[in-house]
Amino acid sequence: GAGVSQSPRYKVAKRGQDVALRCDPISGHVSLFWYQQALGQGPEFLTYFQNEAQLDKSGLPSDRFFAERPEGSVSTLKIQRTQQEDSAVYLCASSLDAAAGGYTFGSGTRLTVV
Amino acid sequence: GNSVTQMEGPVTLSEEAFLTINCTYTATGYPSLFWYVQYPGEGLQLLLKATKADDKGSNKGFEATYRKETTSFHLEKGSVQVSDSAVYFCALMRGGGSNYKLTFGKGTLLTVNP
Repeated sequence: GAGVSQSPRYKVAKRGQDVALRCDPISGHVSLFWYQQALGQGPEFLTYFQNEAQLDKSGLPSDRFFAERPEGSVSTLKIQRTQQEDSAVYLCASSLDAAAGGYTFGSGTRLTVV
Repeated sequence: GNSVTQMEGPVTLSEEAFLTINCTYTATGYPSLFWYVQYPGEGLQLLLKATKADDKGSNKGFEATYRKETTSFHLEKGSVQVSDSAVYFCALMRGGGSNYKLTFGKGTLLTVNP
């Protein structure tokens, strides 16, 4: 597609519920990133894929967070047993050449845990 | 570790005013530096970048110069427009190996009034 598509755009989850957030990157983009953006803050790195390989998951805040990209295109970020502190906007970005730093970001999924 | 500190907002200007948004960074080695912009309801967009000391990035009338001696990358525009109203994020990429994650500042909200 023309841009990075994320779904759903908004998600309200009850505390303890599992959620799955989807990212459709730009076709052919090898690199894919997930970021978490709390209200009033800059995005913070969660994890990075090159094709289907997860090369860096150092930003995942706990073992309740899990990301996958099984075929090297669509990626899913899963959060198990959601907690209130997980409320944030989750951003996906893709890039043809990660070293150049010019990522294309999606509009994000706003997760609210109640 | 790596960090980015940018000017606290919000910043409110009249149309055609001069804009400066300060950004300083802490990083080992020679990071690449970026300014991203987030318009209301949209994803982050790359505005400009610089990959080495003394480089000047420019786009849409915005400029920023990579100053290694002051570890700064201040964003400037000579004459802002109402359409420049957005949140601006300074970011760095440490680079090296496969480390392509971005470290962002907290963002600066700019409002330009007619």
